[in-house]
Amino acid sequence: EVQLVESGGVVVQPGGSLRLSCAASGFTFDDHAMHWVRQTPGKGLEWVSLISWDGGSTYYADSVKGRFTISRDNSENSLYLQMNSLRAEDTALYYCARSLHLGIGHSIDYWGQGTLVTVSS
Amino acid sequence: SSELTQDPAVSVALGQTVRITCQGDSLRSYYASWYQQNPGLAPVLVIYGKNNRPSGIPDRFSGSSSGNTASLTITGAQAEDEADYYCNSRDSSGNHVLFGGGTKLTVL
Repeated sequence: EVQLVESGGVVVQPGGSLRLSCAASGFTFDDHAMHWVRQTPGKGLEWVSLISWDGGSTYYADSVKGRFTISRDNSENSLYLQMNSLRAEDTALYYCARSLHLGIGHSIDYWGQGTLVTVSS
Repeated sequence: SSELTQDPAVSVALGQTVRITCQGDSLRSYYASWYQQNPGLAPVLVIYGKNNRPSGIPDRFSGSSSGNTASLTITGAQAEDEADYYCNSRDSSGNHVLFGGGTKLTVL
């Protein structure tokens, strides 16, 4: 069974930093690119970032480029999102999600349950 | 264009057919994928590619595309289909992923 379990969401002050983690199991992790997608409570989905199967290619939404860094450790079946210079508008539920593809592609076939990041003073 | 546009809300009578649409310039180059999201739960992929359903998705769900518009059709809507539906695709540059704003489907 495919499982994606996010962790690391907390309350953080504006300007602060945070690292989200996602532990993957039940599939061959390095057969898939991985995404982070966020959702503000009661609002829609917003794509954040994508990393290719080998970590060699990364992509970011304009809203987070230069502040967030996606990475992965295939030996640990883990995905990460380093979030710096956090803003109130980064407050959201952050989902770890599995791509159908090895490289860039938009179809997501499995999602975690999300971890909540709140940016507030 | 770097946007995907969906109607905010659509309703359908129980057992009838409903089409949910998604518009965007990038849909001329990429097929949309469609996701169903129930309150408090993570999204679920229902359609990807030209018209592919993941295992476990009922065959009343189908996808199609014409020009800059992608459509999700539910033939014979059931009460359990009441949910939010999101389309997604890549942008015209191919380097970003986009989501539509979502459509709330009400089954009457």
